[in-house]
Amino acid sequence: NAGVTQTPKFRILKIGQSMTLQCTQDMNHNYMYWYRQDPGMGLKLIYYSVGAGITDKGEVPNGYNVSRSTTEDFPLRLELAAPSQTSVYFCASSYLGQGPDTQYFGPGTRLTVL
Amino acid sequence: TQLLEQSPQFLSIQEGENLTVYCNSSSVFSSLQWYRQEPGEGPVLLVTVVTGGEVKKLKRLTFQFGDARKDSSLHITAAQPGDTGLYLCAGPVRSTDKLIFGTGTRLQVFP
Repeated sequence: NAGVTQTPKFRILKIGQSMTLQCTQDMNHNYMYWYRQDPGMGLKLIYYSVGAGITDKGEVPNGYNVSRSTTEDFPLRLELAAPSQTSVYFCASSYLGQGPDTQYFGPGTRLTVL
Repeated sequence: TQLLEQSPQFLSIQEGENLTVYCNSSSVFSSLQWYRQEPGEGPVLLVTVVTGGEVKKLKRLTFQFGDARKDSSLHITAAQPGDTGLYLCAGPVRSTDKLIFGTGTRLQVFP
């Protein structure tokens, strides 16, 4: 059981380039999330998904896109990279049953835009 | 808008000392969670508190949920270098399936 895996671990982009951050979970969780964490800060929600084919915006969605074609995968797309998108990106998943859920996080992708 | 503010922002202490970290809001939460994040890793859930006034213990860590469910605290007894990390509180956003995270407390414990 690998949990939540993210690739790549590190990436440097030039302004205007695009890339996809990959996220996969093998726990059959229905909910998946993308967060960004800026230095010394907490986590800001970018997008989330409550199941395959359903996505919704979080707190900071501008400049990003997502899709959820399967339960396992939730890729995050950056179309035109900007320096303001330099951050560490975390993917998380949870199974929302009854009561407060536990979110399981991947190890993160550290992205630098120059 | 629901906000979670943590204090202190940074804490640097010697091994063996005690410390308390606070998570405060002006909003009522149905529950609050505490996560610990080690350098280069994602956050890991430590505990969830759901009842006002609830106290939970996890070895040397004691978590308390305020009576009015607007705040929580984390107390560490006899801190060890292995406690070093970023401590985040989190609570569910009302009527949604999302979590809001606090600003975090970065703890450094020196041997």
